[in-house]
Amino acid sequence: SAVISQKPSRDICQRGTSLTIQCQVDSQVTMMFWYRQQPGQSLTLIATANQGSEATYESGFVIDKFPISRPNLTFSTLTVSNMSPEDSSIYLCSAKQGLAANTGELFFGEGSRLTVL
Amino acid sequence: ILNVEQSPQSLHVQEGDSTNFTCSFPSSNFYALHWYRWETAKSPEALFVMTLNGDEKKKGRISATLNTKEGYSYLYIKGSQPEDSATYLCARNTGFQKLVFGTGTRLLVSP
Repeated sequence: SAVISQKPSRDICQRGTSLTIQCQVDSQVTMMFWYRQQPGQSLTLIATANQGSEATYESGFVIDKFPISRPNLTFSTLTVSNMSPEDSSIYLCSAKQGLAANTGELFFGEGSRLTVL
Repeated sequence: ILNVEQSPQSLHVQEGDSTNFTCSFPSSNFYALHWYRWETAKSPEALFVMTLNGDEKKKGRISATLNTKEGYSYLYIKGSQPEDSATYLCARNTGFQKLVFGTGTRLLVSP
């Protein structure tokens, strides 16, 4: 198993500012992902964080808005840029161990709850 | 069904009641179906990963079944306890190790 720590756990931000969320895993993992849950919505995948290279973004998400870094196998950051109230969400870091294609469970952090005023 | 759908959206039961939830998903190009439990202020926790049609898995008082041909999975909780109160999420693996989640079933168990 993997234990994932995220910070901040919550924050209140002003419109137009940017915030970086950090994700630290206690063991090496093969894949890291960033999800978002807007109020009343399902968990939605933002991107796959790739070690040492640009993240792979899902449809509807772009690097300029959600820059992601993953400098090593255990750490990643997500920045929410130029925030608006629509960015108020819970942002979750997740990770997968091993190479079992499509069947391995995901481990999640406790989430970062952002409120944008 | 294009997306993952869960029902009911919320459920309130008394301690000791047994309950079940439904997850419906597209039956084509099936890879795996995941169930997670998400308690408030905690991390989502994996309950089951199911891959084969007819799979049945059990973890304590919680069990799940899978029908990939018709595209549904049931999660059962026997003798619900207050500590079972949480949001139960199902997610379909769409390939490339990505999960598409339903909106969840929020369970509240009263003592």
